[in-house]
Amino acid sequence: DTGVSQNPRHKITKRGQNVTFRCDPISEHNRLYWYRQTLGQGPEFLTYFQNEAQLEKSRLLSDRFSAERPKGSFSTLEIQRTEQGDSAMYLCASSLTSQTANYGYTFGSGTRLTVV
Amino acid sequence: QKEVEQNSGPLSVPEGAIASLNCTYSDRGSQSFFWYRQYSGKSPELIMSIYSNGDKEDGRFTAQLNKASQYVSLLIRDSQPSDSATYLCAVNSGGYQKVTFGTGTKLQVIP
Repeated sequence: DTGVSQNPRHKITKRGQNVTFRCDPISEHNRLYWYRQTLGQGPEFLTYFQNEAQLEKSRLLSDRFSAERPKGSFSTLEIQRTEQGDSAMYLCASSLTSQTANYGYTFGSGTRLTVV
Repeated sequence: QKEVEQNSGPLSVPEGAIASLNCTYSDRGSQSFFWYRQYSGKSPELIMSIYSNGDKEDGRFTAQLNKASQYVSLLIRDSQPSDSATYLCAVNSGGYQKVTFGTGTKLQVIP
C-alpha cells in the first residue's frame, strides 16, 4: 500500500477558473476526509465520506465547492469560480473508523492551490 | 471558545531536554485524542493517539489525558533537532465522525 495519494501536488489558477483535485485513499480504510489548511492554522474540516456516501459537509464549504466519491474509491474535490481566498493547502485523509472507535487519520501530501 | 486550543509557541527547548506540549478542548463528550507532527511544507503525520485517562508511552513520546480537566498533553523526552516541527492536537467529537484540530504549537529544539 502506497498510502494516501493526492494529485496534483501544486495548482496555480486564475481567479474565476474551476479546479479539481483527486485523492486516492488507503484501500482498507472506510472513511475519506477533506480538510483545508492555511498558513499558521490547523487543518479545517470540509467534508467526509463513508464509502460512497457524503455524510457531513462543513458550513465553511460554500456552494462553489463540491466533492464526490464514486463507488467508494477515489474522491474528487472541485472548486468552481475560484477566489483568492481559496488559496490554501487542501488535505485528503483516510481512516479506519467504526461507530465506537477512531484510529486516526493518514494524510496525503496535499494539493497546494494558489489563486492569482 | 475554540473547540481545541493550543499555545502557538514557538516553544524552544535545548537538545536532550523534555518538551511539554499542551492542549485543551471544549467538548466534554470527546472520546479520542490525537497528536500529529507537521514539518514545514509537509502534511500532518499521526504520532500518538490516546483514548482513556492517564499516560500512554511510545518510545520518546508520552501522551497524557485528563478528561475531567479536558486537557491533553504530549511529552517528548530527549528532544532532538529533528523533533522541530509544529505539533497539532486533534480531538474526535460528534460521535467519532470527524476530528477537530488545534492551531498547533511550533517546537524548536536548539542543538
